[in-house]
Amino acid sequence: GENVEQHPSTLSVQEGDSAVIKCTYSDSASNYFPWYKQELGKGPQLIIDIRSNVGEKKDQRIAVTLNKTAKHFSLHITETQPEDSAVYFCAASGPDRGSTLGRLYFGRGTQLTVWP
Amino acid sequence: DSGVTQTPKHLITATGQRVTLRCSPRSGDLSVYWYQQSLDQGLQFLIQYYNGEERAKGNILERFSAQQFPDLHSELNLSSLELGDSALYFCASSVAGTRGNEQFFGPGTRLTVL
Repeated sequence: GENVEQHPSTLSVQEGDSAVIKCTYSDSASNYFPWYKQELGKGPQLIIDIRSNVGEKKDQRIAVTLNKTAKHFSLHITETQPEDSAVYFCAASGPDRGSTLGRLYFGRGTQLTVWP
Repeated sequence: DSGVTQTPKHLITATGQRVTLRCSPRSGDLSVYWYQQSLDQGLQFLIQYYNGEERAKGNILERFSAQQFPDLHSELNLSSLELGDSALYFCASSVAGTRGNEQFFGPGTRLTVL
């Protein structure tokens, strides 16, 4: 199946700085890459996603880039705020081979801390 | 609020027992996914249902089973519980069951097995 690696596992930044989280995937057939934010005691919240026919997508202070050739994608958060502090997960859709319909393969998560 | 509801929020039980976790998907979503989140394994896919039928299985133990009912809510049954089953269990839903559909997660059920 698909294997998603995520780095770094922890990231500390000063308020106002940018944060970048990187993920790699193993299966070139993956075509959908969502990012989730999980706050303490809550479920993962979809914050942005990108499909393989697009190289970059932005939504206000967050952006995601995808490099299909290198099989990696990144989350960029600009002008970070203390409320951005959370665990962020990347995921990949994996190949479309019947038994893997719909499931997501997740990275291990990045604990982002934004210091005021 | 994602629109996905899960009950109960917390569950404490003993080894060897059986529990049932319940999930209601977002209005209009036909597919339900169950994931297990633990510190050592991260977020692991367990099983997927679409419109009442099982569509995909992941790392789900034989002691675990699930179903999706005609009203589209889903239940995850965990039996012969072991200490290692302690984890967060999340349900997610999507409109369709195919690859690339946005999945929205519920708040989870924290299971503690003593």
